[in-house]
Parts: sequence; structure tokens; C-alpha cells
Amino acid sequence: ETGVTQTPRHLVMGMTNKKSLKCEQHLGHNAMYWYKQSAKKPLELMFVYNFKEQTENNSVPSRFSPECPNSSHLFLHLHTLQPEDSALYLCASSQGEAADGYTFGSGTRLTVV
Amino acid sequence: GQNIDQPTEMTATEGAIVQINCTYQTSGFNGLFWYQQHAGEAPTFLSYNVLDGLEEKGRFSSFLSRSKGYSYLLLKELQMKDSASYLCAVLDSNYQLIWGAGTKLIIKP
Repeated sequence: ETGVTQTPRHLVMGMTNKKSLKCEQHLGHNAMYWYKQSAKKPLELMFVYNFKEQTENNSVPSRFSPECPNSSHLFLHLHTLQPEDSALYLCASSQGEAADGYTFGSGTRLTVV
Repeated sequence: GQNIDQPTEMTATEGAIVQINCTYQTSGFNGLFWYQQHAGEAPTFLSYNVLDGLEEKGRFSSFLSRSKGYSYLLLKELQMKDSASYLCAVLDSNYQLIWGAGTKLIIKP
């Protein structure tokens, strides 16, 4: 248990499905992040929320839609995904100074079929 | 462009010492992180260096040379549980984390 909880751990979905990934942290952190991790590639930052406000959207396709209802919860809504979207999706949170590092969840392993 | 380079995979023997290198070219520098990630698990924070030199934390040490754009993570007295991927990341001038692709470390008995 890292303090950041992600559900589900594994997800298989068809290209026409709609699903949502959930992330929850009770560390009192004020920033939350979605990352995509593909094999042998660097972590790709997708979205950043500071105090519930989205401050970063790294040219992510609109088939990925984030939602941050409060500072403890973060969602990633998925629809009409492509097979190349199959990856590990990691949520992270941080507080104040970046030097404190990020706390990551264990991720959702997504497979698009 | 911004770039972090680290070896894709390394193999070492239980009880030995291994050094994982990381070189970076980024727009500005506000510190370098090392994270450990076991397969199927969350990356966990190992170290943060912002000044040149060696920081020791138990069996793990991290070194930074800002003039050379270079860092290494040194693991001593290797244990089987150290088999994992080790991620290097640099905080750039915009306080964005730039990540390397990770080094998969395999420990053999």
C-alpha cells in the first residue's frame, strides 16, 4: 500500500467500450497526475491537476478524458480506445516541493482488444 | 529536445555491487530522482540529488555531477529482492519531470 490506490488493477476492454480508471489518495497532497507507461519507454505525462484544476494536458487524444472532483480523487474516462493505448496507467500525487518526490499507485494494466 | 539515457538492462550477482548510470540533457535542472519499480508494482522513491556529490542511504547511494549531466545509482550487497527496474528522472526548469526509460536489473544467485 503506497498511499495512492488505483482501481481496477487490470482492465480488458473492446474498442467500442467506455470505462473509467479511478485513483484515490489520502496523503493530503494537492497535485495529482496521470501517466502512461509502455514497455521500454519513458513514463509519459498525460494530465496534471493542482488543487483540482487541470494545469497540464500533454496533447493527449480526446478519447482520454480526466476528471478531478476533489483533491483526493482522480478519474480517467476512456472511450473508443485503440490497441496502441494498451499500457500501464499510473496515477501519482505530490505535495508542495517536487523534491519530496511523487507517490505512485500500482497502476491499471489496460488491454484494448 | 530533452533526453534521459540509461541502459536498458543490466545483470549482476547476489552480494555484488552494481552501478546504474544516467545521463541527461534537459532545459534547466532542478534535481534528479531515482525510483525503483518492481514488476507490476508502483514506482517507489529512492533518492533526490540537486547538488553535486554522493548521497548514501543504506545499501543504496546516488551520485550527481551537474557539469557532466551525469548521475549514477550504486547498489551494494545485492539481494534478490533488488531485481527491479530503476527509473532516472530530471526536474527541468519548468519543474516538469523528464523520465528515462528505466534500467531493468536482473540479480542472479
